[in-house]
Amino acid sequence: KNEVEQSPQNLTAQEGEFITINCSYSVGISALHWLQQHPGGGIVSLFMLSSGKKKHGRLIATINIQEKHSSLHITASHPRDSAVYICAVTRTGNQFYFGTGTSLTVIP
Amino acid sequence: EPEVTQTPSHQVTQMGQEVILRCVPISNHLYFYWYRQILGQKVEFLVSFYNNEISEKSEIFDDQFSVERPDGSNFTLKIRSTKLEDSAMYFCASSEAGASYNEQFFGPGTRLTVL
Repeated sequence: KNEVEQSPQNLTAQEGEFITINCSYSVGISALHWLQQHPGGGIVSLFMLSSGKKKHGRLIATINIQEKHSSLHITASHPRDSAVYICAVTRTGNQFYFGTGTSLTVIP
Repeated sequence: EPEVTQTPSHQVTQMGQEVILRCVPISNHLYFYWYRQILGQKVEFLVSFYNNEISEKSEIFDDQFSVERPDGSNFTLKIRSTKLEDSAMYFCASSEAGASYNEQFFGPGTRLTVL
């Protein structure tokens, strides 16, 4: 059983498009994290949020605690945004529960 | 900018051998983690470590696995007797505070291949 579900699994976009990746979770959480995994395998933390909305450059993350749902938006997408985007949640402790990731390809 | 480092980047071993994967977390961080990612699958939590002891572990982290902070800088994951299914990328991460309060910083990973 997956505590964290992401959609879509794969996404191809044209450069400049607005992109949305969705994450739904089925458990009570203390925080939700969005991570980016580069083609070489390295993982970078993009956002940690427990309510509301955060913005960093062209990336925006939102969370709706009541609906157990989060979205990651990328504005003006660029080929360098091509990566796997992973949603992960923490509950009361330090254990992460990971989604399966969304593979994004941005075509020039 | 401070970063988490891991060595080696790639380890090849024979089934049944012991391996030690090494990590140097960011120096002022207090929480340390190990994750694994089997090729083509999602990242999985193995263990978290705080104040020189395991704070949480997953069902994957059985008696074959152990973690240690042997000195003030290194954080190691030992697999006692490797199995073929231990082949995966292993990521170390660290954070200033617990995972519910702080982002984590990930190392570049160690690719473990068990033959």
